[in-house]
Amino acid sequence: DAKTTQPNSMESNEEEPVHLPCNHSTISGTDYIHWYRQLPSQGPEYVIHGLTSNVNNRMASLAIAEDRKSSTLILHRATLRDAAVYYCILRTRPGGTSYGKLTFGQGTILTVHP
Amino acid sequence: GAVVSQHPSWVICKSGTSVKIECRSLDFQATTMFWYRQFPKQSLMLMATSNEGSKATYEQGVEKDKFLINHASLTLSTLTVTSAHPEDSSFYICSASAYYEQYFGPGTRLTVT
Repeated sequence: DAKTTQPNSMESNEEEPVHLPCNHSTISGTDYIHWYRQLPSQGPEYVIHGLTSNVNNRMASLAIAEDRKSSTLILHRATLRDAAVYYCILRTRPGGTSYGKLTFGQGTILTVHP
Repeated sequence: GAVVSQHPSWVICKSGTSVKIECRSLDFQATTMFWYRQFPKQSLMLMATSNEGSKATYEQGVEKDKFLINHASLTLSTLTVTSAHPEDSSFYICSASAYYEQYFGPGTRLTVT
């Protein structure tokens, strides 16, 4: 499985933007970039995903480098509820034997200060 | 987003007994379900992948005879931990997928005494 590299931790102040980086230099052409976040003692929550173009939704934005070897999750205004572990995951296209499974790395622990 | 439920949310059992955990996709039909395990301060580790009506595919190092997975319908998968031991104590999380989207359950905390 293609791997991702994320900083172990990041800190932010409330109501400020947060840019969470992810490197995935071995990404293949059919890999989707997914972001999930996990609060303590809860299952992961879907945040956003993309293939080549930048993506926006109500939770965040995803900026994907032109060569697709890196991406950045952008939280436009961090709140205390955004404090979580953020995982950047490459997901193979469903089909065949991989079934589009998600392989989690260590993620980035985001701390948001009031 | 779609809702995936797990039952029970927590369970305590004695060593040597078996425990069944249910995972349901409440508002969509899941073609594939995944089971993960997470130890304290660690990331999620994929245990197995299952498709409705098929045998589960286990990740390397996961004992298929110990962790029995049944995916009887497009909305229900069960994980049975057989002959549980204290080292099986962990947070078990299921996930349901409908092609491109994948949603996670809230997790089940298993404690084996």
